[in-house]
Amino acid sequence: GQNIDQPTEMTATEGAIVQINCTYQTSGFNGLFWYQQHAGEAPTFLSYNVLDGLEEKGRFSSFLSRSKGYSYLLLKELQMKDSASYLCAVRDSNYQLIWGAGTKLIIKP
Amino acid sequence: ETGVTQTPRHLVMGMTNKKSLKCEQHLGHNAMYWYKQSAKKPLELMFVYNFKEQTENNSVPSRFSPECPNSSHLFLHLHTLQPEDSALYLCASSPGTSGESYEQYFGPGTRLTVT
Repeated sequence: GQNIDQPTEMTATEGAIVQINCTYQTSGFNGLFWYQQHAGEAPTFLSYNVLDGLEEKGRFSSFLSRSKGYSYLLLKELQMKDSASYLCAVRDSNYQLIWGAGTKLIIKP
Repeated sequence: ETGVTQTPRHLVMGMTNKKSLKCEQHLGHNAMYWYKQSAKKPLELMFVYNFKEQTENNSVPSRFSPECPNSSHLFLHLHTLQPEDSALYLCASSPGTSGESYEQYFGPGTRLTVT
């Protein structure tokens, strides 16, 4: 079966750095997405990786290793507004998105 | 209006009621999706429409009935639901369903409670 694993919850301090990991086992691979979802709001697109390596976008970076079935989302200079759930999703060989259950990130002052 | 809108935002219904959820996208996209989001579970894809044609039905019970009259509008008709159907129902759209990055744009969701 297809599976996406990410930690259920993480806590970090304002101003610090946090890394949210995602491992996947899917039938085929056509890209990996990270979304941010604040409580009661719509998920919003953060990043897309299809080739190995690091993609940097301001305070957020996303890394992919296809051979290891692994990705991480790195958040730097954490702000209170970064408190949210972070969803990892992989597009399989049929271009269907397979979603993880999300990681709830709690930022403390 | 911009992006993807959904109405109503909150809905409480009895198990014998019939109601409909509405989604509208203002992005000129060709694909639209219904997802179910339950607490601490992955997003569950329910239906996919591409150019108004249904391309995916992920074994969704018949008490959920989608309708896509055009590429901008998507409905989810609900009848004789069960309490376990209580969840956040998210609508999304994307330019297409294959190729390139095609991230999905989500609406704010309808919080459904079945009593």
